[in-house]
Amino acid sequence: GAGVSQSPSNKVTEKGKDVELRCDPISGHTALYWYRQSLGQGLEFLIYFQGNSAPDKSGLPSDRFSAERTGGSVSTLTIQRTQQEDSAVYLCASSLVTRGSASVSGNTIYFGEGSWLTVV
Amino acid sequence: SQQGEEDPQALSIQEGENATMNCSYKTSINNLQWYRQNSGRGLVHLILIRSNEREKHSGRLRVTLDTSKKSSSLLITASRAADTASYFCATDAGGGAQKLVFGQGTRLTINP
Repeated sequence: GAGVSQSPSNKVTEKGKDVELRCDPISGHTALYWYRQSLGQGLEFLIYFQGNSAPDKSGLPSDRFSAERTGGSVSTLTIQRTQQEDSAVYLCASSLVTRGSASVSGNTIYFGEGSWLTVV
Repeated sequence: SQQGEEDPQALSIQEGENATMNCSYKTSINNLQWYRQNSGRGLVHLILIRSNEREKHSGRLRVTLDTSKKSSSLLITASRAADTASYFCATDAGGGAQKLVFGQGTRLTINP
């Protein structure tokens, strides 16, 4: 697709239920990120996938959070036993990481519109 | 703790005036980027400045970077009502992870 696609746009779930959030990155982008943004706050890094490398999971807040990326494309963020503090917008992003120059030049990261999760 | 800290947290100005937002960070960086967010949804990349650059322009945007003070500023000239949004700085510390660390953002309101 033309941009990063996320689904669902909005999700209301009961406390204790599991939720899955999906991200379809821009075709050809090898890097995929998940961020979380609570109301009126900045973005909190959750997890980063790059090609076939082991993901950087250092931002996941607890073991209730997990993510996978199948076939190097679509990613699913799963939150088990949701809590009210999990309510936030979950933003997915992707970028085309080029070897060699990436660490100096940087790469533009393209964000999806986010999935707004409300735990009641 | 957050790497980037924007200042001010909120800014309200009249249309046509210039808006300046500042960002401070703590560790060495490879580059710093500014993003815009409308209505709490997806972020849009505005501009990237490398650690070896001091100033960069893009249309009505001007970004400066002072690595000795670990700070950056975003200037929007001749502001328009459509510039109303939240603006975030994000730092890339390198290390191959391309893991951007975002600040809390500045909420900019342009009054017509």
